[in-house]
Amino acid sequence: AQSVTQPDIHITVSEGASLELRCNYSYGATPYLFWYVQSPGQGLQLLLKYFSGDTLVQGIKGFEAEFKRSQSSFNLRKPSVHWSDAAEYFCAGLGSNFGNEKLTFGTGTRLTIIP
Amino acid sequence: DVKVTQSSRYLVKRTGEKVFLECVQDMDHENMFWYRQDPGLGLRLIYFSYDVKMKEKGDIPEGYSVSREKKERFSLILESASTNQTSMYLCASSSTLGLNYGYTFGSGTRLTVV
Repeated sequence: AQSVTQPDIHITVSEGASLELRCNYSYGATPYLFWYVQSPGQGLQLLLKYFSGDTLVQGIKGFEAEFKRSQSSFNLRKPSVHWSDAAEYFCAGLGSNFGNEKLTFGTGTRLTIIP
Repeated sequence: DVKVTQSSRYLVKRTGEKVFLECVQDMDHENMFWYRQDPGLGLRLIYFSYDVKMKEKGDIPEGYSVSREKKERFSLILESASTNQTSMYLCASSSTLGLNYGYTFGSGTRLTVV
């Protein structure tokens, strides 16, 4: 079955420190992969996406993610976090074959930033 | 700027009431979705629709129904609200021709059933 797993429920980092949020996927073929961010009380905003080509993708707000087929991973990174990055982050996958247009989400990782 | 608009940010309803959650998108997207979000469970798909008057069950359709009479509007209906339906509800839309762009989400409706 197609699935996306985020192994970390909650991560705390200091402001200015680097960040890596983990995401693993299980799909028959290479899926489209996405990272979304949700600020408290808000909907989900797309940070970045991968669907082919360069395995390192750049997104908004200084985030990037690297697709690693050998590890079935699509981890999100940021070199230096800001207090405004505190939010919940969701990894999601979409089957790349037509007729399978449903996003499957991970359970999310809540990011706390400490001064 | 493209938008998905959910009619209410917060709703409080009584057990047994019939509840309507409305979602409108202005992007001419074919696909629309309803998710519920609960702590520790992430987003779970309730229903989705690929076209007007078409609907398909997601992972947790029990206790819900949907209506899509117009392309831009997708309604979620709780036939008889129960306390276990207290949750955040998120609507989303996507284009069939632009699957790699993912979904656009509304701001969510936080429903409390008392």
